[in-house]
Amino acid sequence: DAKTTQPTSMDCAEGRAANLPCNHSTISGNEYVYWYRQIHSQGPQYIIHGLKNNETNEMASLIITEDRKSSTLILPHATLRDTAVYYCITGYSTLTFGKGTMLLVSP
Amino acid sequence: DAGVIQSPRHEVTEMGQEVTLRCKPISGHDYLFWYRQTMMRGLELLIYFNNNVPIDDSGMPEDRFSAKMPNASFSTLKIQPSEPRDSAVYFCASSSTQTIGETQYFGPGTRLLVL
Repeated sequence: DAKTTQPTSMDCAEGRAANLPCNHSTISGNEYVYWYRQIHSQGPQYIIHGLKNNETNEMASLIITEDRKSSTLILPHATLRDTAVYYCITGYSTLTFGKGTMLLVSP
Repeated sequence: DAGVIQSPRHEVTEMGQEVTLRCKPISGHDYLFWYRQTMMRGLELLIYFNNNVPIDDSGMPEDRFSAKMPNASFSTLKIQPSEPRDSAVYFCASSSTQTIGETQYFGPGTRLLVL
């Protein structure tokens, strides 16, 4: 079973920030938090990962709470092409995908 | 780099037939993963290899499934005999190492329909 909890679905207006939450209360000390997304009919795509510190790359920002029990993926300016299922995964090596959050970005 | 290459992209076969799915990982990557995705079960890890050696096949559903990696640039997932419940999208992924921070790169998938 996946070790994370995410909302089933979320909506976001185009151009606005999308904030996707994830709970991972059982995360262990050496486990990373990974975010992947899967656009319809495509393979999953890596977005970002982190251990303790907040991270930012060209796609998104990752905010991890100090106790590491939850995190938030931020897409600063969502576009229609960001509509996808977003997976939050914790682990060290293999990835165990849960059901993810279906993000719908609307005009 | 062309990314992870999978073939065929679509496969339709009849129950009882043998099905072979193929994967070419990204050059230089030493880990290769096979996943299966269905509506009911989501995305499941079937097996993964490191340096062409199978490391964990606990996700392989049953003996009808087998996977090989004869060299660093090629892997196959075989189903024999196939059954309708094997209908799914099968993804191959590769990564350069399984240490901290490395990510997996997924192929486009093979959509299998067993009639």
